[in-house]
Amino acid sequence: DQQVKQNSPSLSVQEGRISILNCDYTNSMFDYFLWYKKYPAEGPTFLISISSIKDKNEDGRFTVFLNKSAKHLSLHIVPSQPGDSAVYFCAASEGSSNTGKLIFGQGTTLQVKP
Amino acid sequence: DAGITQSPRHKVTETGTPVTLRCHQTENHRYMYWYRQDPGHGLRLIHYSYGVKDTDKGEVSDGYSVSRSKTEDFLLTLESATSSQTSVYFCAITGTSGSYNEQFFGPGTRLTVL
Repeated sequence: DQQVKQNSPSLSVQEGRISILNCDYTNSMFDYFLWYKKYPAEGPTFLISISSIKDKNEDGRFTVFLNKSAKHLSLHIVPSQPGDSAVYFCAASEGSSNTGKLIFGQGTTLQVKP
Repeated sequence: DAGITQSPRHKVTETGTPVTLRCHQTENHRYMYWYRQDPGHGLRLIHYSYGVKDTDKGEVSDGYSVSRSKTEDFLLTLESATSSQTSVYFCAITGTSGSYNEQFFGPGTRLTVL
């Protein structure tokens, strides 16, 4: 059973506009959430994270929002740039377990059109 | 960039043959992970290690074994490769506590089992 779900396989936005990528989870024990970006033929790279004690974390053009009651998080990219075109994975962990194990969503392919 | 290398980067093998993938890190990190990436599934954890000779199973460990005889190397072995193990394999590392830390990924190994 998929504990972390990204229900949109793909998203296309115009350069300069906002990109919103969504992620849902089912395990209420998850207390740490991360977003990764992946280009073809490369490993995923860390983008931004958020702890369950927060509902928002911002880093430059990237902001992650966490709604614990809805078990939902989203990544906002503003403004979107063509170089942001990649696959985005959300991931979750039970940070308190001390194993660092991550459960990933299926990924969303973002295309930013010039 | 975290110092993680994977070898080989590409491998084609036949069903029933043993295969070993190597992950090497220069960061002296305690935690190391092996994932596989498949379309529609995102990244799924195979095995992980929390220290030399200390390993544990992930979500999809059947058909795989691991070994870690020194801090810098984490080996993934397919004892008898099957076509269902055709995938891209990623190694990752994380910091001392394992929890509430981002993981850094290697470049990946593309394995094809004929």
